[in-house]
Amino acid sequence: GAGVSQSPSNKVTEKGKDVELRCDPISGHTALYWYRQRLGQGLEFLIYFQGNSAPDKSGLPSDRFSAERTGESVSTLTIQRTQQEDSAVYLCASSLLSSYNSPLHFGNGTRLTVT
Amino acid sequence: DAKTTQPNSMESNEEEPVHLPCNHSTISGTDYIHWYRQLPSQGPEYVIHGLTSNVNNRMASLAIAEDRKSSTLILHRATLRDAAVYYCILREMSQGGSEKLVFGKGTKLTVNP
Repeated sequence: GAGVSQSPSNKVTEKGKDVELRCDPISGHTALYWYRQRLGQGLEFLIYFQGNSAPDKSGLPSDRFSAERTGESVSTLTIQRTQQEDSAVYLCASSLLSSYNSPLHFGNGTRLTVT
Repeated sequence: DAKTTQPNSMESNEEEPVHLPCNHSTISGTDYIHWYRQLPSQGPEYVIHGLTSNVNNRMASLAIAEDRKSSTLILHRATLRDAAVYYCILREMSQGGSEKLVFGKGTKLTVNP
């Protein structure tokens, strides 16, 4: 079956513009995660969805970042008034359940470059 | 947050076993130990996980110390395709009832032909 799909795969934007990043999780997966990975760094947790609700938004770096999920499926991460420090790969993952025994399946990410 | 400690890098030769260590001295009784790996220009990939007993799957084996303060991911015969960053993660539950995986910097494994 299809894995986690993210679009676009690459996005170049000018400082100050808004961007929307999309994640299509594996069908039937109830949990969805967003991470950020700066060049040469590890993964930084941003937000987690269980169904359409986000019980953990603790990783969002500022109020310029927001995310939503609809229909227990597609999720969108929006970054307003982008800054150069927002340049990174944004990774989405889904899992069947929110459970210790349910592995995360990652997409290949959206590479965001803010010029 | 529970933390793990891994060497920054390791090297291995092709077709030899590789033992990737991870320390997690502050692990709690309900934390599972998960391993993921990330190949260049890809998202992380699940490898294996366990709680107390050693675990085997088609990709690797996981050996967990009796006190659970450390674990070792074992690749029985390294191939060039195993060159990746390997992350050891404790799967924890936050007070709010949600959960997240906290990734450290991982171990960069180089496999020499």
